[in-house]
Amino acid sequence: SQKIEQNSEALNIQEGKTATLTCNYTNYSPAYLQWYRQDPGRGPVFLLLIRENEKEKRKERLKVTFDTTLKQSLFHITASQPADSATYLCALDGTGRRALTFGSGTRLQVQP
Amino acid sequence: DGGITQSPKYLFRKEGQNVTLSCEQNLNHDAMYWYRQDPGQGLRLIYYSQIVNDFQKGDIAEGYSVSREKKESFPLTVTSAQKNPTAFYLCASRMGTGGDNEQFFGPGTRLTVL
Repeated sequence: SQKIEQNSEALNIQEGKTATLTCNYTNYSPAYLQWYRQDPGRGPVFLLLIRENEKEKRKERLKVTFDTTLKQSLFHITASQPADSATYLCALDGTGRRALTFGSGTRLQVQP
Repeated sequence: DGGITQSPKYLFRKEGQNVTLSCEQNLNHDAMYWYRQDPGQGLRLIYYSQIVNDFQKGDIAEGYSVSREKKESFPLTVTSAQKNPTAFYLCASRMGTGGDNEQFFGPGTRLTVL
């Protein structure tokens, strides 16, 4: 069956360091992969989209990689700030249907 | 302002009652979605609609119903058949159904069964 796995344990890092979050998937062949940010009690907000033929995508302090051989995406936040503390979700288009399937998310806590 | 609105923000239901959650968007998006989120969990797809008067079941459709009579509206009814409805409900929309379209989410409705 199709699965999307994100580290369920919270990631705690010091301000200024680089945070790296992982998204692994099985039994998918996505053409696109998306990352979202969710703050407590609010709806997710879109951050970045990467295509299968793109190895890397950057937006300001954010960087996403997409390895279709490893079936893995890495999400990096450089020079992290306490304001980056949130849950980060990866999402793929589900095979056979026109809807995103989300991972369970990883909570990031940036300590000042 | 363009966006997605959901109402109410908080909703309390007695066991055995049906309740309807509202979702409206003025983004002129064709596709709309309903997700459920439980504490510490990811989003699970309930129903989705690609065009008006058409919708498909997601992964956890049992105990829920939807309608899509207008492009901008996609209400979700939580019926008494849903055994554990207490959760955070999120509505979303996107321009098209291709995977290269980002999803826009509403602020959510928190449903509690008393």
